[in-house]
Amino acid sequence: DQQVKQNSPSLRVQEGRISILNCDYTNSMFDYFLWYKKYPAEGPTFLISISSIKDKNEDGRFTVFLNKSAKHLSLHIVPSQPGDSAVYFCAASAGANSKLTFGKGITLSVRP
Amino acid sequence: EADIYQTPRYLVIGTGKKITLECSQTMGHDKMYWYQQDPGMELHLIHYSYGVNSTEKGDLSSESTVSRIRTEHFPLTLESARPSHTSQYLCASSESPGQGKTSGNTIYFGEGSWLTVV
Repeated sequence: DQQVKQNSPSLRVQEGRISILNCDYTNSMFDYFLWYKKYPAEGPTFLISISSIKDKNEDGRFTVFLNKSAKHLSLHIVPSQPGDSAVYFCAASAGANSKLTFGKGITLSVRP
Repeated sequence: EADIYQTPRYLVIGTGKKITLECSQTMGHDKMYWYQQDPGMELHLIHYSYGVNSTEKGDLSSESTVSRIRTEHFPLTLESARPSHTSQYLCASSESPGQGKTSGNTIYFGEGSWLTVV
């Protein structure tokens, strides 16, 4: 049973536009959420995180929004760049010492 | 950001051979992990360690074994490789809560080891 779901396998966006990557979760105990970016043949790179006490966290072009009532979070990339083309994983944990649960990832393609 | 190194990056090996995937981190992180990922699939935790001489099985059953004799080193061993072991293996580490300034739940990955068993 998948506790972290990324239902759209892929997203194509024009350079300069906004990319919105969605993630849903089912475990109400999750209190910390992260996004990772992965290029082929490389390990995932940590992008941005958000604690459940917040509903928004911003870092440069990347903003993560958390809607706890809907058990939904999203990653916004503005403006999108061709170098953003990669697989993006959503992850979540429940408690300070718990392990991360990952989604299946979404492949973002940014067209020049 | 953690400095975490994996070797070999790519390995093609015959069925029945013994292999060890090396993983080292230089940040003094207490926690270390091994994940397995097939293309298009989620990352599955196969082993983790919360410190020296501590190792636990992850969520996905694996025939591999690990050891944690030193804080910085967390090797993974397959005694007899099979084609079903073909996958990408990702090592990661994180601080314990209170060990540093980042959240203990933020893990940092190495570049991965691609294993192909023929």
